[in-house]
Amino acid sequence: GESVGLHLPTLSVQEGDNSIINCAYSNSASDYFIWYKQESGKGPQFIIDIRSNMDKRQGQRVTVLLNKTVKHLSLQIAATQPGDSAVYFCAEQFGNEKLTFGTGTRLTIIP
Amino acid sequence: EAGVVQSPRYKIIEKKQPVAFWCNPISGHNTLYWYLQNLGQGPELLIRYENEEAVDDSQLPKDRFSAERLKGVDSTLKIQPAELGDSAVYLCASSLDYNSPLHFGNGTRLTVT
Repeated sequence: GESVGLHLPTLSVQEGDNSIINCAYSNSASDYFIWYKQESGKGPQFIIDIRSNMDKRQGQRVTVLLNKTVKHLSLQIAATQPGDSAVYFCAEQFGNEKLTFGTGTRLTIIP
Repeated sequence: EAGVVQSPRYKIIEKKQPVAFWCNPISGHNTLYWYLQNLGQGPELLIRYENEEAVDDSQLPKDRFSAERLKGVDSTLKIQPAELGDSAVYLCASSLDYNSPLHFGNGTRLTVT
């Protein structure tokens, strides 16, 4: 089946700097994308989503960018804080098919 | 609003024993999911319910796994008998409908010895 991958399994960022987490997806027909944050011992927490008719969406301190031409998704976190340390998953969905998750990127914030 | 509630948080059993997990979704969410998450990996769908109906159970190992969602609210996931390879975190999630974001519980960590 289709898979969702990440360019980097780990990312370390200085506190206060901006973080960019990248994700490559392989199903060009996917029309819905979500970013989740998962802290140790907890379930994935919804951060932000975007549909394929958009290329950018902003939330509180987070921005998701979608480049359908190269099948690339990114999550930008502004002014990272210690509480942003977690594993981040991107996930893709096509129509009513199941949501497919990638393997995750661990973000570590350096004080 | 209250989130998705799962119990127990941890379960340790010996292989060949049965085990059950319980999930209470967010009120009003019609769609309920059970996912399995192995260490260092993303969640993988086991089964999806729309109200009481299991609409996608293609990933559920039906020889040992079963699930139910009576009355379209709470759900249970059962494994009988458990195998060593079943050790993982079992996550429940719910959403308003299939095109809405999933909200996850904190999962049940199963260890089979």
